[in-house]
Amino acid sequence: SQKIEQNSEALNIQEGKTATLTCNYTNYSPAYLQWYRQDPGRGPVFLLLIRENEKEKRKERLKVTFDTTLKQSLFHITASQPADSATYLCAPPDSSASKIIFGSGTRLSIRP
Amino acid sequence: DTGVSQDPRHKITKRGQNVTFRCDPISEHNRLYWYRQTLGQGPEFLTYFQNEAQLEKSRLLSDRFSAERPKGSFSTLEIQRTEQGDSAMYLCASSPDRGADTQYFGPGTRLTVL
Repeated sequence: SQKIEQNSEALNIQEGKTATLTCNYTNYSPAYLQWYRQDPGRGPVFLLLIRENEKEKRKERLKVTFDTTLKQSLFHITASQPADSATYLCAPPDSSASKIIFGSGTRLSIRP
Repeated sequence: DTGVSQDPRHKITKRGQNVTFRCDPISEHNRLYWYRQTLGQGPEFLTYFQNEAQLEKSRLLSDRFSAERPKGSFSTLEIQRTEQGDSAMYLCASSPDRGADTQYFGPGTRLTVL
């Protein structure tokens, strides 16, 4: 069955640096992939969607890449700020494309 | 604000009791999803509706769980004979059209089973 893997360890970086989060998927090839942000005690919030024919997608300080050969998506936050601290979830559709499935998320902490 | 709302936000119950949660999706969103999330994990799919029809239910979902969306608007999730392992955040999300569209989440209901 399809499997979604994200960095299980928290990522701690200095303010101003670029944060890079990884999402790997196995056993299938999703046509697109979404990234969500989740703050403690709240529901996830949609950030970006990237399709298989797009190598890169940007939104303000966010950038997502989608490498269908490596079966990997990378999520970058440039010029990171403490307010970017949150858990980031990778979410491709399942193999039937009837719903999305979530990775376990990577907790990002930006220190001032 | 016309976002997804959930009620209650927190529920504490004793083992063996039944609980019911409500979700009001964004109006005109056809799809409604229920997820369960435990600490350190991503949301785990439970079930979803297209209008009033329940189209899929997770095979991991116990028979103690049931969900309804009687008029294609709000939905309820009921857990019967709660167990301590049911303690989690229950999230509801809605989307406008196709199955794997961007989803809009509610704030969740935190369930604690004592």
